[in-house]
Amino acid sequence: DAGVTQSPTHLIKTRGQQVTLRCSPISGHKSVSWYQQVLGQGPQFIFQYYEKEERGRGNFPDRFSARQFPNYSSELNVNALLLGDSALYLCASSLASGSIYEQYFGPGTRLTVT
Amino acid sequence: LAKTTQPISMDSYEGQEVNITCSHNNIATNDYITWYQQFPSQGPRFIIQGYKTKVTNEVASLFIPADRKSSTLSLPRVSLSDTAVYYCLLDSGGYQKVTFGTGTKLQVIP
Repeated sequence: DAGVTQSPTHLIKTRGQQVTLRCSPISGHKSVSWYQQVLGQGPQFIFQYYEKEERGRGNFPDRFSARQFPNYSSELNVNALLLGDSALYLCASSLASGSIYEQYFGPGTRLTVT
Repeated sequence: LAKTTQPISMDSYEGQEVNITCSHNNIATNDYITWYQQFPSQGPRFIIQGYKTKVTNEVASLFIPADRKSSTLSLPRVSLSDTAVYYCLLDSGGYQKVTFGTGTKLQVIP
């Protein structure tokens, strides 16, 4: 079975631009979470979506938004990019929303803001 | 959110057993303890999860004392491919608003 896929793998943007990152969960998984990982630090939780509804939000500004589609894929949008948004953005999927369900992470999208 | 504390780094020789301890003094009643492994430029990979006592799977064991204020991940007979960052995190039920700390960087030496 295919794992979690993310696109693009890498991208470079300029300050002030907007970016959209995409994630396809493992087949049958209804929960998708997004994380930001800055170099040298652990992943920081951004959002969780389950059955197309936002179920959790981390401590990120309103420039960050996300949505989940009927096929459970998800997009993360970041507006008005700042240099500090440069990071590895990870998507994780799980069967359901709850702590007993392990999360499967994708390879991430490396975003560089110049 | 309850915080976890782990050693920043550890070195071990190949073939040895490695124990990584995580402190979580303010763990909540409904928190599960979960460990992930991460290689450079990859997403984290689930290793093991537990609530109390001992859990064992094909790759690791997790020891949790009765007060649950700490936990120990045990990796038997490590190899060079176990060189990675290991994260201990607490995950309460409902929404997966999990918090990764800075992790423990394990270096396995030949």
